Amino acid sequence: QSVLSQPPSASGTPGQRVTISCSGTGFNIGGNYVYWYQQLPGTAPKLLIFRDNQRPSGVPDRFSGSKSGTSASLAISGLRSEDEADYYCAAWDDSLSGLVVFGGGTKLTVL
Amino acid sequence: EVLLVQSGAEVKKPGATMKISCKVSGYTLGDHYIHWVRQAPGKGLEWMGLIDPVDGESMYPEDFQGRVTIIADTSTDTMYMEMSSLNSGDTAIYYCAVVTADGHNPRFDYWGQGTLVTVAS
Repeated sequence: QSVLSQPPSASGTPGQRVTISCSGTGFNIGGNYVYWYQQLPGTAPKLLIFRDNQRPSGVPDRFSGSKSGTSASLAISGLRSEDEADYYCAAWDDSLSGLVVFGGGTKLTVL
Repeated sequence: EVLLVQSGAEVKKPGATMKISCKVSGYTLGDHYIHWVRQAPGKGLEWMGLIDPVDGESMYPEDFQGRVTIIADTSTDTMYMEMSSLNSGDTAIYYCAVVTADGHNPRFDYWGQGTLVTVAS
């Protein structure tokens, strides 16, 4: 059971806009930055969004992040076949001695 | 270019101890935190801990405290993650990852290629 909650799956057709949610608490998402990762099959995760809504250089602007209260979202517009991957949210959690928490991951299928 | 190169795949018996290395290049080891994350087959990402290579201060989640040790050798720009009392549930790909900004936050800008550890009798 992951500390951050994500839907296990999402899907869309090419060109569509898809949103993946990530729900937490005031100890993690509500009080700290959210980060998003994309993991293509057989590869290490790749940083997609940092500080809630910032994109590293090289990440297309089709990817965007947002946060409101204790929930965050990753939006992918103009969906492409190469976006088919697993997506994870992550945040620092202040509830105990401090630790990193991940969402369980969302498998995105491009139909 | 920042690179993290991890040691090769390992097969361990239950009860054994594993030690994985992560050699960094393209930056000075002491400049950034290093984290370790693992992923069991078909499962999600699980955080295992972090280290500040400058002073060696490390942090571990409760599930791994007492069983995982992360150390930094700044003379060789190499990080190590050691885990004892292995069981089949520890079969996973283990990743090292570098945080270049945002302090303790999980901003993993660079990742190692991963090390598969299989625990089987």
